[in-house]
Amino acid sequence: DGGITQSPKYLFRKEGQNVTLSCEQNLNHDAMYWYRQDPGQGLRLIYYSQIVNDFQKGDIAEGYSVSREKKESFPLTVTSAQKNPTAFYLCASSIGGVVTEAFFGQGTRLTVV
Amino acid sequence: AQSVTQLDSQVPVFEEAPVELRCNYSSSVSVYLFWYVQYPNQGLQLLLKYLSGSTLVESINGFEAEFNKSQTSFHLRKPSVHISDTAEYFCAVSVPHNTDKLIFGTGTRLQVFP
Repeated sequence: DGGITQSPKYLFRKEGQNVTLSCEQNLNHDAMYWYRQDPGQGLRLIYYSQIVNDFQKGDIAEGYSVSREKKESFPLTVTSAQKNPTAFYLCASSIGGVVTEAFFGQGTRLTVV
Repeated sequence: AQSVTQLDSQVPVFEEAPVELRCNYSSSVSVYLFWYVQYPNQGLQLLLKYLSGSTLVESINGFEAEFNKSQTSFHLRKPSVHISDTAEYFCAVSVPHNTDKLIFGTGTRLQVFP
């Protein structure tokens, strides 16, 4: 089945540690996105990529980093510079260009203690 | 820049009652509009979308939304809700020939009571 896989579903880390969230898609989509979800704030865009080896900052990129070395993979690293990293993280993909439909993974809930 | 406003953060309703979830957007150019649904601890699923053509769009599970350009709205409606419709609903926009990402509203929590 085609889709987007995020792993792990739950992740716990100590404060000050970097952590990488995985996102893989087998939809052959060019574009991939990372969103952060907090209660009452909806989805906020962290980073997005329209093509391999290229990505752009979204609205809240500070404290995060990404890479896009392969079309099917778009990992997100939450660094120790992120002041409030505990959140639900969602990865999405679309065909590319103007978004006419985006497909989402099941999310990763990151808790930093 | 574009923005999306969902004025109602929570909408409580009894089973079999009608419901409307409101969405307004701000844009100086034409837009594509989307409604996504999210069940607890899951990702988002596309419910319906408006790209062009008929301003009334429908989903397979009884929801419908109407694009109103003059009021810059895309409200989501269902004539009779079920307990299983309890979820969070997000409205989103993208801009043809301009933006390459979705811009989301803050979401509306629909709680259906028996």
